[in-house]
Amino acid sequence: GQQVMQIPQYQHVQEGEDFTTYCNSSTTLSNIQWYKQRPGGHPVFLIQLVKSGEVKKQKRLTFQFGEAKKNSSLHITATQTTDVGTYFCAASRSWELVFGQGTRLTINP
Amino acid sequence: GAVVSQHPSWVICKSGTSVKIECRSLDFQATTMFWYRQFPKQSLMLMATSNEGSKATYEQGVEKDKFLINHASLTLSTLTVTSAHPEDSSFYICSAMVPGGGDTQYFGPGTRLTVL
Repeated sequence: GQQVMQIPQYQHVQEGEDFTTYCNSSTTLSNIQWYKQRPGGHPVFLIQLVKSGEVKKQKRLTFQFGEAKKNSSLHITATQTTDVGTYFCAASRSWELVFGQGTRLTINP
Repeated sequence: GAVVSQHPSWVICKSGTSVKIECRSLDFQATTMFWYRQFPKQSLMLMATSNEGSKATYEQGVEKDKFLINHASLTLSTLTVTSAHPEDSSFYICSAMVPGGGDTQYFGPGTRLTVL
């Protein structure tokens, strides 16, 4: 079945440093979604990318969808302590979402 | 908009008992809801897709007789963990899609189940 591989599994940074998480699929994706889950919380939708090569920005967050629609990345510029959490990518499989393993971001203030 | 609630937020039960978890879409009608299980520090694993008025579709490896799903209305889906055992202890999260909103899912706050 469709799988989405996400790396790294963990990332620890100093506050103010940048952070990037990557998602890869062996198959072409119709779209990819990104979610953030704070410690003890539930996933919250961040964004959906649909078009090949698409780049979207939300303040310090930059989301990219690869030209072949097989990979995606989330980049956070100048991390803040509020960015702590686990970031998941998710790909659509019919009506369902297949989640990547998530990248847990911790930040040293 | 697109608020999903879940009840209870946490539950502790004895081994062998059954636990019902409710998932409600508060400000929209959801023909399709999803149930996920999340173990500590792991990703979300889809258990089943709940369709209003029809039987749920279970993922491979999920016992449908153990995890009973009922989607009796457009705003409510329930997951009943029957004869719960300690290995069923987990974080159960439901989600729903907003009609016409593409396949973005909105998640409930989750239910933390601990089976003693």
